[in-house]
Amino acid sequence: LAKTTQPISMDSYEGQEVNITCSHNNIATNDYITWYQQFPSQGPRFIIQGYKTKVTNEVASLFIPADRKSSTLSLPRVSLSDTAVYYCLVGDSTGGGNKLTFGTGTQLKVEL
Amino acid sequence: NAGVTQTPKFQVLKTGQSMTLQCAQDMNHNSMYWYRQDPGMGLRLIYYSASEGTTDKGEVPNGYNVSRLNKREFSLRLESAAPSQTSVYFCASSRQGAIEKLFFGSGTQLSVL
Repeated sequence: LAKTTQPISMDSYEGQEVNITCSHNNIATNDYITWYQQFPSQGPRFIIQGYKTKVTNEVASLFIPADRKSSTLSLPRVSLSDTAVYYCLVGDSTGGGNKLTFGTGTQLKVEL
Repeated sequence: NAGVTQTPKFQVLKTGQSMTLQCAQDMNHNSMYWYRQDPGMGLRLIYYSASEGTTDKGEVPNGYNVSRLNKREFSLRLESAAPSQTSVYFCASSRQGAIEKLFFGSGTQLSVL
């Protein structure tokens, strides 16, 4: 299983762009990169998933360099409601692909 | 569409007591999971069921048992609760495999005294 490393915490202000980088040096060929968001007292919620290059949806962008050893979740123009823990996960769809590991995540705090 | 439903939401047990946490999903998902989350920590996988009729151990299976009752339901049983099992328990499901989008329940806050 690919191990991931993220910053423990980040601070930002409303309206700024936030980039959270995740390191996954031993990512395997079949692995995908997935990000989840978790608010207090709630289960995690899927944000975005990618395999290579760039993926964008209505809430975030995911940038993956060619070597895929890291990835960056980009949140444009954050608001107070984006204060949450963000998890980077790496796993594959083969062999059941069931043992995804959540690390301790990155606590993002957004202030006025 | 309820998604993933967990019961109960809160539970207090005494050491040595047993209980079963219930989880049901209405999305016709094949895979289901049980995670625990201790304060300030990430989620750790206890058990998972890749498909109906199969279950496998995750990272921290000791002290737990599971039953995939049918495609919809996946229960987690604590046979003899210990204070170290005080945690928030989350059930999740996905179409097939954890690489697919995981949908989580709202959690069960369990305290073992």
